Amino acid sequence: DAGVTQSPTHLIKTRGQQVTLRCSPKSGHDTVSWYQQALGQGPQFIFQYYEEEERQRGNFPDRFSGHQFPNYSSELNVNALLLGDSALYLCASSLVAGGRTGELFFGEGSRLTVL
Amino acid sequence: GESVGLHLPTLSVQEGDNSIINCAYSNSASDYFIWYKQESGKGPQFIIDIRSNMDKRQGQRVTVLLNKTVKHLSLQIAATQPGDSAVYFCAESKGTYKYIFGTGTRLKVLA
Repeated sequence: DAGVTQSPTHLIKTRGQQVTLRCSPKSGHDTVSWYQQALGQGPQFIFQYYEEEERQRGNFPDRFSGHQFPNYSSELNVNALLLGDSALYLCASSLVAGGRTGELFFGEGSRLTVL
Repeated sequence: GESVGLHLPTLSVQEGDNSIINCAYSNSASDYFIWYKQESGKGPQFIIDIRSNMDKRQGQRVTVLLNKTVKHLSLQIAATQPGDSAVYFCAESKGTYKYIFGTGTRLKVLA
């Protein structure tokens, strides 16, 4: 049973460019959350997707956008990259039950470096 | 606002000793708490969770204690092993879809 898979694992971009990160959830999961983890910090919630819609969003600008596909996979897009966007981007899948997110299963992350 | 913090950024323990990692949270309305372990180069891995209607929950070699009076959460690891070396995060949730993570505590196991 494959867990959460993310791609690419590492990438380097320059300021002003755009990036797309991809995530396939754990088998049987229907919900995908994205987190940003700066070096030496805890993960920060970006947004969550369920039934192809953004369900909740954290304190991130509109440069951060996402999408969920019918097969539950998801993409995170970041436009007009800034140096401060350099971080590990984590995808987590889960099942929503009782109106709340259950246990999060994280992928290994995509390490983005902005030069 | 909401925040979850940890008292100690780094904890060093001798192999075989018990470890205690602490976490303070500020949102008294939070009703669900999780501990995650993150090894270098990997994503966070679920360790144990606890709901606000409980004070203690035990797993294999791990125990989570919740003190709602002082808004404190702790993770106890029995007989700490080299494989326990990692960064540990506590996270809280309040009936929503997002989790708020603390900064993390690095656990170093000394041989």
